[in-house]
Amino acid sequence: AQSVAQPEDQVNVAEGNPLTVKCTYSVSGNPYLFWYVQYPNRGLQFLLKYITGDNLVKGSYGFEAEFNKSQTSFHLKKPSALVSDSALYFCAAQNTGGFKTIFGAGTRLFVKA
Amino acid sequence: DAGVTQSPTHLIKTRGQQVTLRCSPKSGHDTVSWYQQALGQGPQFIFQYYEEEERQRGNFPDRFSGHQFPNYSSELNVNALLLGDSALYLCASSFGLGVSNQPQHFGDGTRLSIL
Repeated sequence: AQSVAQPEDQVNVAEGNPLTVKCTYSVSGNPYLFWYVQYPNRGLQFLLKYITGDNLVKGSYGFEAEFNKSQTSFHLKKPSALVSDSALYFCAAQNTGGFKTIFGAGTRLFVKA
Repeated sequence: DAGVTQSPTHLIKTRGQQVTLRCSPKSGHDTVSWYQQALGQGPQFIFQYYEEEERQRGNFPDRFSGHQFPNYSSELNVNALLLGDSALYLCASSFGLGVSNQPQHFGDGTRLSIL
């Protein structure tokens, strides 16, 4: 079965410190990979995507993600966390040519001032 | 430029009832997908509509059905509601079927509570 795993339910980081939110996937072929963020009582907002090419992808709000094909991982990173980054983060995968998006269970990020 | 809009924002129903949720896609988008997000979980794909037809379906029973209208808006219908149907229902829109490298745009969802 195809799946996306986010091994950490919660990540705590101090403001100004770097953050990493982990994601691994088990999807056939070479899937497209996405990160979305969800604030309370809101829908998901797109942060960044990996299609092909450079393994380091830059996205919105200073976030970036590192694709590692051998480890089937797509970890979300930010060099310096802000309190306003506190939210729920979802990793997602789509098969090339497919239409379903598979989401991870989400990781809650807390950034302490 | 209006984004994805969903109505209603909240809904309370009782077991056995039927419900209809509505979604208007982002301007310029023609594909609508529906997701169920239970508390503490990631969104689960229900189905996707394009050109007024259901194109893909996730692992949901036939109690879940939908429709897409000529203006690309969409409805999600759930019959014979169960307690387990309580969730946030998200609508997402995109352009083009099978353009799987494009991000989806999500509405803020409808919070459905079953008593």
